[in-house]
Amino acid sequence: GESVGLHLPTLSVQEGDNSIINCAYSNSASDYFIWYKQESGKGPQFIIDIRSNMDKRQGQRVTVLLNKTVKHLSLQIAATQPGDSAVYFCAETRAAGNKLTFGGGTRVLVKP
Amino acid sequence: DTGVSQNPRHKITKRGQNVTFRCDPISEHNRLYWYRQTLGQGPEFLTYFQNEAQLEKSRLLSDRFSAERPKGSFSTLEIQRTEQGDSAMYLCASSLGTSSNQPQHFGDGTRLSIL
Repeated sequence: GESVGLHLPTLSVQEGDNSIINCAYSNSASDYFIWYKQESGKGPQFIIDIRSNMDKRQGQRVTVLLNKTVKHLSLQIAATQPGDSAVYFCAETRAAGNKLTFGGGTRVLVKP
Repeated sequence: DTGVSQNPRHKITKRGQNVTFRCDPISEHNRLYWYRQTLGQGPEFLTYFQNEAQLEKSRLLSDRFSAERPKGSFSTLEIQRTEQGDSAMYLCASSLGTSSNQPQHFGDGTRLSIL
């Protein structure tokens, strides 16, 4: 399939290790943040979200951290698996249901 | 499959032709969004609907672009007099619009190639 993110920053991680993907957002008025995973030839897939009244949220093998002071968002993936190889985007929005503004994306490559 | 469905998956056309894409959102979702994505970039917002009302349009949406959602269910995006710069992946997303933030769920897009 066609590659998504030909010139994106790349994070190479050994299978079984933890991954941390970082994102800086631009709008201090944003109050809702989402991480998406995008595989080649597919649309973005929802992973986890967090509201601005929280600084941490956990899902299955994933944790999102939000630091509003420095406008920074991170996604931690525990025990990274080959199926986690993809491009990861953070997205922000202000007010419910509004348009999303996406960050530049990070490619994650999991080495067996 | 009860996710967002987009058709066609691929469209190849000559410059100057008109194209139309269709999006079927998740059935109970009242909000529907269109985005455009080029290689190496994140999706960029084009427009969105709440039910049949088009509430916001990006400056990226030139007068050659028009989107409709006539019955508040499926939506179409038409590009008239296509140009090579229109080559991109066109993504549709839907969400349940309530007082709480709800995530947007995306389809797998329509890839447009202009010859």
